[in-house]
Amino acid sequence: DAKTTQPPSMDCAEGRAANLPCNHSTISGNEYVYWYRQIHSQGPQYIIHGLKNNETNEMASLIITEDRKSSTLILPHATLRDTAVYYCIVRDKAAGNKLTFGGGTRVLVKP
Amino acid sequence: GAVVSQHPSWVICKSGTSVKIECRSLDFQATTMFWYRQFPKQSLMLMATSNEGSKATYEQGVEKDKFLINHASLTLSTLTVTSAHPEDSSFYICSARSPIRVQETQYFGPGTRLLVL
Repeated sequence: DAKTTQPPSMDCAEGRAANLPCNHSTISGNEYVYWYRQIHSQGPQYIIHGLKNNETNEMASLIITEDRKSSTLILPHATLRDTAVYYCIVRDKAAGNKLTFGGGTRVLVKP
Repeated sequence: GAVVSQHPSWVICKSGTSVKIECRSLDFQATTMFWYRQFPKQSLMLMATSNEGSKATYEQGVEKDKFLINHASLTLSTLTVTSAHPEDSSFYICSARSPIRVQETQYFGPGTRLLVL
């Protein structure tokens, strides 16, 4: 079972920052948080991952709370091409490090 | 990021025939590959995990005799849907993981859309 909770959908304005929350209150100390997104009719695209420190790459920033029970993915300047389903996943170490997908957040970037 | 390809990107077949889908890691060696299935408006569901040179491990409820997986090399895994039926119509996505990549990140292929008539 997925170990994360995300809002089912959210809208954001083009050019503004999009903040996508994720709860993972049962995360274990050595489990990573991964973010992927799936644009319609494509395979999931890796965005970013982290353990406990905040992370940033060319696509996004990941902010993980100090207790690691939640995180936020930040798309700094959303574009129409960022419209997708965003999945927050805690990789299941106990189950061979499988990625189990939940429902994700359907993000619609509006002009 | 790493590149994973799938072939074909879509396939239409008659009920009762078998369909083979290939998954290749193009710029890294994947000791572990995964096969997922996605029905319309649903999330991805893991079907099986395959390690190079060994038998695949199937998730509960997935018929191993119907979905044959072969991971014969570090860059190629195949999924064969045997005796396909209309209910097997779905979006099949593979994923590859390398032990060398940081934290063994998984990368996904573009998917194969299967339609069984």
